[in-house]
Amino acid sequence: GENVEQHPSTLSVQEGDSAVIKCTYSDSASNYFPWYKQELGKRPQLIIDIRSNVGEKKDQRIAVTLNKTAKHFSLHITETQPEDSAVYFCAAPHSGGGADGLTFGKGTHLIIQP
Amino acid sequence: GAVVSQHPSRVICKSGTSVKIECRSLDFQATTMFWYRQFPKQSLMLMATSNEGSKATYEQGVEKDKFLINHASLTLSTLTVTSAHPEDSSFYICSAMVGYGLFFGSGTQLSVL
Repeated sequence: GENVEQHPSTLSVQEGDSAVIKCTYSDSASNYFPWYKQELGKRPQLIIDIRSNVGEKKDQRIAVTLNKTAKHFSLHITETQPEDSAVYFCAAPHSGGGADGLTFGKGTHLIIQP
Repeated sequence: GAVVSQHPSRVICKSGTSVKIECRSLDFQATTMFWYRQFPKQSLMLMATSNEGSKATYEQGVEKDKFLINHASLTLSTLTVTSAHPEDSSFYICSAMVGYGLFFGSGTQLSVL
């Protein structure tokens, strides 16, 4: 099955600065890479995802980049705001093809300092 | 996005009792649903894959006799934690895939006394 590593575990940035969270995956057959945001006691919410046929995707202040050769993908948040504080999880298909759900990274606690 | 409903949101029970958690897809049919468990400050760990009309597939280390899964219709999957013990206390959350996206229920916080 897939193995997903995520770094850092905690990230503290000043409001307005950028934040970058990185993940690596093990299965070269994986073709879909989502990012989830989870606030305390709530369900994870999909914030952005990328398919393996593109190298970058952007949605307002959030972007995801993918390097298939190196098997890593990153989440970039620009102009961070207090409401960006949460735990962020990267994920990859549990077994390459995606029909068996997702395997999640260990999560990054993002803290936005006012 | 797709709506997945999960009930109850919180359960407190005595050790030895069984707890049933329901997961419904409200605006789509889900032949497959996934059950995850999340301990405090940890990641989501896949417990089992629930398949409509057939047996669930359990991840390594998850006891199928303890975590009973039933997926009797295209919109409902249930997870029953049998003879719950304090170590089963956790946040249980179901999910379903729509296309490539995985959408989660609101989760059930189980506390076993």
